[in-house]
Amino acid sequence: EVQLVESGGGLVTPGGSLRLSCVASGFTFSKAWMSWVRQAPGKGLEWVGRLKSKTDGGTTDYAAPVKGRFTISRDDSKNTLYLQMSSLKTDDTAIYYCATDQIPWNCWGQGTLVTVSS
Amino acid sequence: QSVLTQPPSASGTPGLRVTISCSGSSSNIGSNYVYWYQQLPGTAPKLLIYTNNRRPSGVPDRFSGSKSGTSASLAISGLRSEDEADYYCAVWDDSLSGRVFGGGTKLTVL
Repeated sequence: EVQLVESGGGLVTPGGSLRLSCVASGFTFSKAWMSWVRQAPGKGLEWVGRLKSKTDGGTTDYAAPVKGRFTISRDDSKNTLYLQMSSLKTDDTAIYYCATDQIPWNCWGQGTLVTVSS
Repeated sequence: QSVLTQPPSASGTPGLRVTISCSGSSSNIGSNYVYWYQQLPGTAPKLLIYTNNRRPSGVPDRFSGSKSGTSASLAISGLRSEDEADYYCAVWDDSLSGRVFGGGTKLTVL
């Protein structure tokens, strides 16, 4: 069964940092392009960024609101995707999902809640 | 204000057909593949349509996608109560060098 499980969310004060993890199972993680998408409370989906597979260059792309503050990385030996978040703002409060659209592995995790508040 | 425009709400009667539109521009829908997602209440989104009109395994053929120019549509036929959800379109935007989501459409089955 294809599965993504996020962890690492929690309460953090403005200006702080947090690292989210996403453990993949049931598919060839090293070949997958992975993304992070967030959803603020009661709002729509917002793309955060993506990381290509190493065989496709391993490059990253980020949404403008997080560029320079967030970093996406992967450890293919651990089937794990990361989202390092720094200089957090209250606007970053959201459920963070990791996801892949690659067929036939398309899958979203259950999400992890990040709350940025003083 | 999203780069992709969706109606905030849509509704339909069980058994009938409803369509949800997604309007963009030449830098996104006009030049890239459109994806559609379904988000049932309290759950994570799920991929419904990829590359404009293809369904992942397990998605009923009641769901179909289409694209024309800078607009795309999701059609749901034989509407069921379990289709009540939020629906989002998404596409890569060449000008932004990033992916964009529509604002979402809340579908109500009357």
